[in-house]
Amino acid sequence: GDSVTQMEGPVTLSEEAFLTINCTYTATGYPSLFWYVQYPGEGLQLLLKATKADDKGSNKGFEATYRKETTSFHLEKGSVQVSDSAVYFCALGTQGAQKLVFGQGTRLTINP
Amino acid sequence: EAGVAQSPRYKIIEKRQSVAFWCNPISGHATLYWYQQILGQGPKLLIQFQNNGVVDDSQLPKDRFSAERLKGVDSTLKIQPAKLEDSAVYLCASSPLRGRTDGYTFGSGTRLTVV
Repeated sequence: GDSVTQMEGPVTLSEEAFLTINCTYTATGYPSLFWYVQYPGEGLQLLLKATKADDKGSNKGFEATYRKETTSFHLEKGSVQVSDSAVYFCALGTQGAQKLVFGQGTRLTINP
Repeated sequence: EAGVAQSPRYKIIEKRQSVAFWCNPISGHATLYWYQQILGQGPKLLIQFQNNGVVDDSQLPKDRFSAERLKGVDSTLKIQPAKLEDSAVYLCASSPLRGRTDGYTFGSGTRLTVV
C-alpha cells in the first residue's frame, strides 16, 4: 500500500543553520505530495505542496521538489529560525481514495 | 472563515468507559475526515464521509469505534469500550471538493488519555 518514510528525529539545529528533512514515498499512480507543520499546542497546517513530478512547493522560506525518479520530497530551508521549531509531517494524497497518508513526523528544535 | 471546530479539547477516561468527540467542519465542506494520531506517529485515517455517506472506513476498528454524520454537517466519533491503546489525538478535517486532498483544513484535535 501507499506509505511515507521520513527522516527520524528529533533534529536540533542552531539558528540560521541549513535544514534538510528527508522524505521518501511509495505509491501507486501519481500522488500529490505535502509537508504539514504542527506547532506546539496547535493543529496541523499545510506548509507546502506539489501535485506533479518536478513541481517545487515553497512557503515561508521552505522548499521541496517532487522527484519522481527518486520517489522523494525532501524539505529544505536555507536559514532556520527559533520560530520554526515544530513537528513536520510529510504526506501523500492518494489518487482515487482522496485520503492523506502521513509519515511519522520529525520534531525540529532550533536553538538561539 | 471559521475553522474546523472540535470538542472537547482534552478527555481522560478509564479503560472500558465510553467517550464521544464532536466535529463541526467548515461551512459548505462536503467531505469530512477523522484521523487518529498516536504519540510519535503520523495521523492515520479512521473514516471519511462525503456529505452524510461513508466513503472509506477500512481502518476503523468497528468493534469499538463508530462515527456518524447524520445531516451531512457535523460529526460524532464514539469509542465504546475504550482501551489503553486508544490514547491519542483525534483530528477532524474537512475539504470542500471531492478528490482534492490539498483542500484539507484540520481542527486542533481532541487529546484522549485512557487510564
